[in-house]
Amino acid sequence: DSGVTQTPKHLITATGQRVTLRCSPRSGDLSVYWYQQSLDQGLQFLIHYYNGEERAKGNILERFSAQQFPDLHSELNLSSLELGDSALYFCASSGTGMNTEAFFGQGTRLTVV
Amino acid sequence: AQKVTQAQTEISVVEKEDVTLDCVYETRDTTYYLFWYKQPPSGELVFLIRRNSFDEQNEISGRYSWNFQKSTSSFNFTITASQVVDSAVYFCALSDRGLSGGSYIPTFGRGTSLIVHP
Repeated sequence: DSGVTQTPKHLITATGQRVTLRCSPRSGDLSVYWYQQSLDQGLQFLIHYYNGEERAKGNILERFSAQQFPDLHSELNLSSLELGDSALYFCASSGTGMNTEAFFGQGTRLTVV
Repeated sequence: AQKVTQAQTEISVVEKEDVTLDCVYETRDTTYYLFWYKQPPSGELVFLIRRNSFDEQNEISGRYSWNFQKSTSSFNFTITASQVVDSAVYFCALSDRGLSGGSYIPTFGRGTSLIVHP
């Protein structure tokens, strides 16, 4: 158990809908990363938050947004969903230093139908 | 340009064979970090090891060993006497400031699928 909790584990939704994925980092970790894993793109970095502030953006679509709350949990919002958004979405957290290893949650499997 | 290259898409071995997973990285930073993760069929990503750019000492942990060579920009992973439970996808990752100029962001290779047959 990595200590990172993601909910829900599975999500099936229709095209055009909006969903919210939730992540609780390990106790004490200030950094939260979101990744998307699909068969054709591999593990793609989406966004990084550190202690509530957005620090880096990767290949995140404009339809996607995220935030990190004062209690350090994070949410990833995906809107106007398309079939191609079907993927495994991972959240990871790391410690107070910005160079420590990231521990991953079990992921949320999103299926858009 | 791909920052982390895992040229082996899939490797198939028979139990008890030794296997080496290759990882070649690219960065302009002098300070960077390298990682290996394991993704078993259940799907979670499990952290295995971290190496920083200033520490080229090789490491052994049980049947696992890692060979870091800055001269060839490689960070290879060897499993000795492989077991069926080692079957998984293994990812190499590089964390540097290149993407954002500020944060260290882990960038992953495409992974190597290891299949260990009984």
